[in-house]
Amino acid sequence: EVQLVESGGGLVQPGGSLRLSCAASGFTFSSNLMTWVRQAPGKGLEWVANIKQDGSEKYYVDSVKGRFTISRDNGKNSLFLQMNSLRAEDTAVYYCAREYIWGSYRFLSSWGQGTLVTVSS
Amino acid sequence: DIQMTQSPSSLSASVGDRVTITCRASQSISSYLNWYQQKPGKAPKLLIYAASSLQSGVPSRFSGSGSGTDFTLTISSLQPEDFATYYCQQSYSSPQTFGQGTKLEIK
Repeated sequence: EVQLVESGGGLVQPGGSLRLSCAASGFTFSSNLMTWVRQAPGKGLEWVANIKQDGSEKYYVDSVKGRFTISRDNGKNSLFLQMNSLRAEDTAVYYCAREYIWGSYRFLSSWGQGTLVTVSS
Repeated sequence: DIQMTQSPSSLSASVGDRVTITCRASQSISSYLNWYQQKPGKAPKLLIYAASSLQSGVPSRFSGSGSGTDFTLTISSLQPEDFATYYCQQSYSSPQTFGQGTKLEIK
């Protein structure tokens, strides 16, 4: 059974930093792209970033470029999101998700339960 | 970035109704379109990928169609457990944007 468990969320002041982690199990982590998606309170889903299997390519939504860094440790089956210079608008539940590739198609086949990040003074 | 626009934003329907939700992309995305269902307090769940392929374990009353810029998600006969929020997502190019969501409520 695929399991994704996020951790590291919490309350942080504007301008502060936080590092989210996602522990993966039940599939070959090193063979899958991984993605972070967030959801502000009462709002829709926002794709944040993804990372290639070997970490060689990373993509970000414009609103987090230069502030957030996605990374992974395939030896520990873990995905990370380093978040710096946090703003109130970064307040959200952050989900990690497995990006499954089927031919040329890709989709988020498995999701964690999410971890809440609150940016407030 | 590719913009995804869903309509309607909310919808009231009854058990047994046939429901259609529309998603439009700001440029052609071929069939690189996925649909997710989200219930309150829960993570999203994949329903449809590649515009029309049903994810394993998803009931056959769910179906997807479309290509290019216009897509639809259809629920043939609404069940009580289907009342949720539905999102489309394009996977044609990064960032892989989502629609704003369609909240399906009980009439």
